[in-house]
Amino acid sequence: EDQVTQSPEALRLQEGESSSLNCSYTVSGLRGLFWYRQDPGKGPEFLFTLYSAGEEKEKERLKATLTKKESFLHITAPKPEDSATYLCAVSSGAGSYQLTFGKGTKLSVIP
Amino acid sequence: EAQVTQNPRYLITVTGKKLTVTCSQNMNHEYMSWYRQDPGLGLRQIYYSMNVEVTDKGDVPEGYKVSRKEKRNFPLILESPSPNQTSLYFCASIRERVSPLHFGNGTRLTVT
Repeated sequence: EDQVTQSPEALRLQEGESSSLNCSYTVSGLRGLFWYRQDPGKGPEFLFTLYSAGEEKEKERLKATLTKKESFLHITAPKPEDSATYLCAVSSGAGSYQLTFGKGTKLSVIP
Repeated sequence: EAQVTQNPRYLITVTGKKLTVTCSQNMNHEYMSWYRQDPGLGLRQIYYSMNVEVTDKGDVPEGYKVSRKEKRNFPLILESPSPNQTSLYFCASIRERVSPLHFGNGTRLTVT
């Protein structure tokens, strides 16, 4: 059974204080790893897909990286508008549509 | 605009009163899915559909029904809602295997 563990559960940062969120996974044949951002009461919004170890993707202040066991979402010089819950999900198996989600990291960026 | 539309956004009902939450996508996606999200438990899949007339159970299907008569629509039916079904519900669709899920904006359901 696929498992996804995100840490920490919650993270408070000062504006401009860079940090990283972790997503550890156990899957039988990773097909893709996804990062989403979710604002309170809204649907998750897609950020990145990573397909293989060593891959990196960037968008504004966010950078996602992937190894064979985990993924990191690096946040550089965060702003208050980056406050949200960040979700990680994996797709595995033979071309499955199914995703397994982690429980998320709630990020708060204080001005 | 490509989107997944759920209705209603908010719903308060009483135990046992049948309800339907609608979901529609305009992206011609074959795969659609329903999730519920609860504090501390994350997103859990209720049902999914690979195509018209093809549906299957997810991780927490008890107390729910779905149907897929048309490609664009995937309603979630609660025949006899109970308070433990109070939750935030999301419909989602996906273009192809190993591609991102597109989520609706959610339906917050309260069952008293």
